[in-house]
Amino acid sequence: DVKVTQSSRYLVKRTGEKVFLECVQDMDHENMFWYRQDPGLGLRLIYFSYDVKMKEKGDIPEGYSVSREKKERFSLILESASTNQTSMYLCASSLSGPGASPLHFGNGTRLTVT
Amino acid sequence: QKEVEQNSGPLSVPEGAIASLNCTYSDRGSQSFFWYRQYSGKSPELIMFIYSNGDKEDGRFTAQLNKASQYVSLLIRDSQPSDSATYLCAVGSGGYNKLIFGAGTRLAVHP
Repeated sequence: DVKVTQSSRYLVKRTGEKVFLECVQDMDHENMFWYRQDPGLGLRLIYFSYDVKMKEKGDIPEGYSVSREKKERFSLILESASTNQTSMYLCASSLSGPGASPLHFGNGTRLTVT
Repeated sequence: QKEVEQNSGPLSVPEGAIASLNCTYSDRGSQSFFWYRQYSGKSPELIMFIYSNGDKEDGRFTAQLNKASQYVSLLIRDSQPSDSATYLCAVGSGGYNKLIFGAGTRLAVHP
């Protein structure tokens, strides 16, 4: 089974802090994704990566950046956290592109920015 | 118009009944369709995917796709309380380069 592991289940950060969310997958998947999930808005794509050091902006990249130095690891960075970034963050990986094969999700990180 | 629309629910069904969850999408060129289940406080997990018109069955679950009418549905037979969750419809388009999620339908199965 594919395992996608997110480093933190819950995080509380202060406004203006730099925040790192880490994600590791163990199935040698090329594609990795970061989503945020908010009530009533569903899952929205922040960034995705289809190869090491490659990244593509999703639908809501503003205020975020990503890093993929190794195939198995995809990090989401909040350069200067703001209260409107309080959300559930979900990392996912897949064998093929976003719409071509199923996504395997991590357990999520619930981030609160105060 | 949202790209992928689902009734937010809750959809309440008695145990043992058939639950019918519906999803409509706007991109006529969409090629792939996924149903995910998400329990409260947990991450989504894949239930089924379907690419071709018609029905696809897996145990108690049946996905139905009608591309002409731009809808995809999920039927859950013999519903159990453990099926109570939010069901997310996701539609792949743009040549498999884009996946759009609906906001989800909350299903409640009562004994």
